[in-house]
Amino acid sequence: GAGVSQSPSNKVTEKGKDVELRCDPISGHTALYWYRQSLGQGLEFLIYFQGNSAPDKSGLPSDRFSAERTGGSVSTLTIQRTQQEDSAVYLCASSLFSGTTNEKLFFGSGTQLSVL
Amino acid sequence: AQTVTQSQPEMSVQEAETVTLSCTYDTSENNYYLFWYKQPPSRQMILVIRQEAYKQQNATENRFSVNFQKAAKSFSLKISDSQLGDTAMYFCAFRSSGGSNYKLTFGKGTLLTVNP
Repeated sequence: GAGVSQSPSNKVTEKGKDVELRCDPISGHTALYWYRQSLGQGLEFLIYFQGNSAPDKSGLPSDRFSAERTGGSVSTLTIQRTQQEDSAVYLCASSLFSGTTNEKLFFGSGTQLSVL
Repeated sequence: AQTVTQSQPEMSVQEAETVTLSCTYDTSENNYYLFWYKQPPSRQMILVIRQEAYKQQNATENRFSVNFQKAAKSFSLKISDSQLGDTAMYFCAFRSSGGSNYKLTFGKGTLLTVNP
């Protein structure tokens, strides 16, 4: 596709429910990132994929959070037993190669998650 | 760990005037990258300008320029001839050139409003 696509754009859920957030990176981009943006805060790193592998999961807030990437393309971020503090915008970004001097990240428009 | 501080939560400027957004950071590294990102209401983060720490010359992109003071660990963004479309959240970000060179550390952002 032309850009990074995230779905759904908005998600309202009840506390305790599970949610899945989807990210379609730009075709051919090997690196994929998930960030979380809580109200009034900057972006917080969650996880990074190089291909289908996740070398760094250190940013995942708890074991209720998990992510996978299949076929070196689509990624899914899953939050189990959602809590109100999970309410945030979840942003996905992709790039051709990670960590290079001229790496340029392309961000999606995010998923606004609201946990009632 | 690196930290990025944006001390101005909100700023406003009149159309066609110049505004400067402040950013300071803390790192023990000598080589790294600094970025300014713009986030309009669409939520999609857009790269405005980047600076490589080993380059002494300040980066410039059209109406956007930076004042990079490495010793002071300061990285301010100057927007000249402000336009209504510049209204957005602006985030300063740091990226290491070392082991965690795939991860961006963001400040909390400055909400810029350009008034007609």
